Amino acid sequence: EPEVTQTPSHQVTQMGQEVILRCVPISNHLYFYWYRQILGQKVEFLVSFYNNEISEKSEIFDDQFSVERPDGSNFTLKIRSTKLEDSAMYFCASSRARGEGEQYFGPGTRLTVT
Amino acid sequence: TQLLEQSPQFLSIQEGENLTVYCNSSSVFSSLQWYRQEPGEGPVLLVTVVTGGEVKKLKRLTFQFGDARKDSSLHITAAQPGDTGLYLCAGDLANFGNEKLTFGTGTRLTIIP
Repeated sequence: EPEVTQTPSHQVTQMGQEVILRCVPISNHLYFYWYRQILGQKVEFLVSFYNNEISEKSEIFDDQFSVERPDGSNFTLKIRSTKLEDSAMYFCASSRARGEGEQYFGPGTRLTVT
Repeated sequence: TQLLEQSPQFLSIQEGENLTVYCNSSSVFSSLQWYRQEPGEGPVLLVTVVTGGEVKKLKRLTFQFGDARKDSSLHITAAQPGDTGLYLCAGDLANFGNEKLTFGTGTRLTIIP
């Protein structure tokens, strides 16, 4: 069964460093998303991406964040200068169609900023 | 303000009992999803409900979407230890162009053998 994959599973970085989190969405899906979950808190939406551009973003997704689909399979989230409060699980998700609601999530990348 | 409130937050019951968890909102959703999340892993989609009043069954799990599409419930019959986990509801608001999922706070379910 097709699934969303994410790498790395765990990333440790120092404050101020740049990190790139990688995702391979399900192959016939067209809509891609990033969410994050701070330990003990709700899953929060960061950004949605379609047709090579951002379609919606939350207030969390400030200028330090960017997303890219560098090729036909990968979808990346870059945090330019990490802060301690960026420590969280980051989940990639994908869906076949817009507004369909059926988003399939990857296993997540645990980002620890020290 | 919590858009999606889940109750109870924690539920611990004996194997074989039935249970219901709730997901409530004052907002209308185009669709509502139920996920299950294990510690350190991503949410796994269980079901999507789209039509007001819709009922879907997945083995011993029954999901219902409220008539007004503002709430949902998950009922588990004859709970088993394998049902232990964190259950999340998530919905997409019935606004044009809205794609993001809004998640509830979750119900942590423990089934005691």
